[in-house]
Amino acid sequence: AQSVTQPDIHITVSEGASLELRCNYSYGATPYLFWYVQSPGQGLQLLLKYFSGDTLVQGIKGFEAEFKRSQSSFNLRKPSVHWSDAAEYFCAVGRSNDYKLSFGAGTTVTVRA
Amino acid sequence: EAQVTQNPRYLITVTGKKLTVTCSQNMNHEYMSWYRQDPGLGLRQIYYSMNVEVTDKGDVPEGYKVSRKEKRNFPLILESPSPNQTSLYFCASSLDMSTSSPLHFGNGTRLTVT
Repeated sequence: AQSVTQPDIHITVSEGASLELRCNYSYGATPYLFWYVQSPGQGLQLLLKYFSGDTLVQGIKGFEAEFKRSQSSFNLRKPSVHWSDAAEYFCAVGRSNDYKLSFGAGTTVTVRA
Repeated sequence: EAQVTQNPRYLITVTGKKLTVTCSQNMNHEYMSWYRQDPGLGLRQIYYSMNVEVTDKGDVPEGYKVSRKEKRNFPLILESPSPNQTSLYFCASSLDMSTSSPLHFGNGTRLTVT
């Protein structure tokens, strides 16, 4: 079975600074990888996904993520955060042969002025 | 507007009193799923449905029931709620069951069982 670890429970970052959220997965084959964002009181929204090909994927809201097979990681980055990026972020891994998605525990991002 | 609608948004109930949380999507999606979100645990899948009249258990199905009589609706039923079912619940749908189809989430239902 696959699993996902998000090592950072909470990150505080200054507005305009860069942000990196870590995600490590465990899965025997090539995984499908996702990052979702949850704003307060809202459901989850897809930021980006990786299935194959270029290991650097671009998403919405200026986010990008890099798949590193050797490190079993799929870290999310943004060069310059905005106050509206304050939210909870979830990494998820899926199997290629069905729709079994496993979510990480989430990382809460606080943006200070 | 394409959306997944859950009702109610907030629900407080007592142990043992049957309840239903409704979920409806207007995107003609085949796949629908229920998750619960608990602090430190992320989202865990309760049940999912691949199409009308086809449902299957997720990771934490105990104490829950679902039905899929119509494509657009996927209600979550708690026959006899218990305090350990206090949680934030999300319904989600996607075009099909392939992992390449992104999930569309409802805004959640916060359930408290006393």
